Amino acid sequence: QVQLQESGPGLVKPSQTLSLTCTVSSASISSRGHFWSWIRQRPGKGLEWIGNIYYTGSTSYNPSLKRRLTMSVDTSKNQFSMKLTSVTAADTAVYYCARDLSYSDSTGGGSYYDFWGQGTLVTVSS
Amino acid sequence: EIVMTQSPATLSLSLGERATLSCRASQSISSNYLSWYQQKPGQAPRLLMFDASTRATGTPARFSGSGSGTDFTLTISSLQPEDFAVYYCHQEYNLPWTFGQGTKVEIK
Repeated sequence: QVQLQESGPGLVKPSQTLSLTCTVSSASISSRGHFWSWIRQRPGKGLEWIGNIYYTGSTSYNPSLKRRLTMSVDTSKNQFSMKLTSVTAADTAVYYCARDLSYSDSTGGGSYYDFWGQGTLVTVSS
Repeated sequence: EIVMTQSPATLSLSLGERATLSCRASQSISSNYLSWYQQKPGQAPRLLMFDASTRATGTPARFSGSGSGTDFTLTISSLQPEDFAVYYCHQEYNLPWTFGQGTKVEIK
């Protein structure tokens, strides 16, 4: 069973940088067709896609966060990470990492999140 | 950006009743890129359906998905106690990927 585990500080001060790492177990982060994603959920709200990264280092970011966001991957540690700069209270959320399985077939292909981490609450407060 | 609109926001039903959840995309998407997730309080979302109508491993047969283009539906044929949760639709057809705002299925 593939497992993902988020780690990082639970409290970040306003204007500082939020840094999170996702450690992947029982699967190789270098597997083709798997994109490694970050999704967040503000308190009492819905899900927001933050961005994803491929093992090659290729990234896609949500335009709403792109100016402040950097993602990276460490294949030797089977981990991927995100950094969000200049945080405000609006960045307080549960942050999830997830595996985005992308496939190609005769119908053209598709994609979906098949495994998720348990989530980690990050609070932005002084 | 493709906006995913789910309705209703809340569905109040009794055990054994049929639940019909709607998801509408602001532009046409391939059904291969439409998935549904179930989220219970304090838990991470769980994949329920992918390709709009394919049940994920472990998803009971009482769940079914349908739709194409802009209109998609998740149906629970007979609600069981463990089905009371929030359900999200999600598209990965066009960047940025987006989720619907969720439909909460609660016990009446």
